[in-house]
Amino acid sequence: AQTVTQSQPEMSVQEAETVTLSCTYDTSESDYYLFWYKQPPSRQMILVIRQEAYKQQNATENRFSVNFQKAAKSFSLKISDSQLGDAAMYFCAYRSPYSGGGADGLTFGKGTHLIIQP
Amino acid sequence: IAGITQAPTSQILAAGRRMTLRCTQDMRHNAMYWYRQDLGLGLRLIHYSNTAGTTGKGEVPDGYSVSRANTDDFPLTLASAVPSQTSVYFCASSKQGRLGGYTFGSGTRLTVV
Repeated sequence: AQTVTQSQPEMSVQEAETVTLSCTYDTSESDYYLFWYKQPPSRQMILVIRQEAYKQQNATENRFSVNFQKAAKSFSLKISDSQLGDAAMYFCAYRSPYSGGGADGLTFGKGTHLIIQP
Repeated sequence: IAGITQAPTSQILAAGRRMTLRCTQDMRHNAMYWYRQDLGLGLRLIHYSNTAGTTGKGEVPDGYSVSRANTDDFPLTLASAVPSQTSVYFCASSKQGRLGGYTFGSGTRLTVV
């Protein structure tokens, strides 16, 4: 079974600064998908960015980018020019492309609470 | 409706009572899931359904049951609620095997007293 580890329960950053949230995972599969989800106080789960393991190029979405290190099984999220609206819980998640008749669900880390200081 | 609708939004339930959380999607996604979210534990998979008529157990299935009579609906039932089932419950759906096709509902906050 896959596991996802987020070692930072809480992070704090000044507005307009850059912050990096860490995520590591354990898997025996060679192909898979990785995601970062944002959960603001509204409780809604919002997809921030996604990465396909077979793509070496790191995904970027505006101010959000990832550092994907496949050999190290690391998938960190960098938020540039932090804004007050970025304050939220952030979850790293793993998805196998092969359901094999079993669950095709996401495996989540425990989350990192990001605080933005004005 | 667009996306996933969950009902109720929140509920306080007496221990021992039966409760069904409703989930409906209008995207014709074949796969649906139920997660529970607990502080410090992230989201954990309760049950899933890869297609209408089939269901399976996730990581924490005990005390819960599901059914998938059609593509759109995936209710989660607590037969006899216990306080440890106090949590926020999320329903989600996806095109099975497709990257990034995950859609979440807004969640149901359930308190069992």
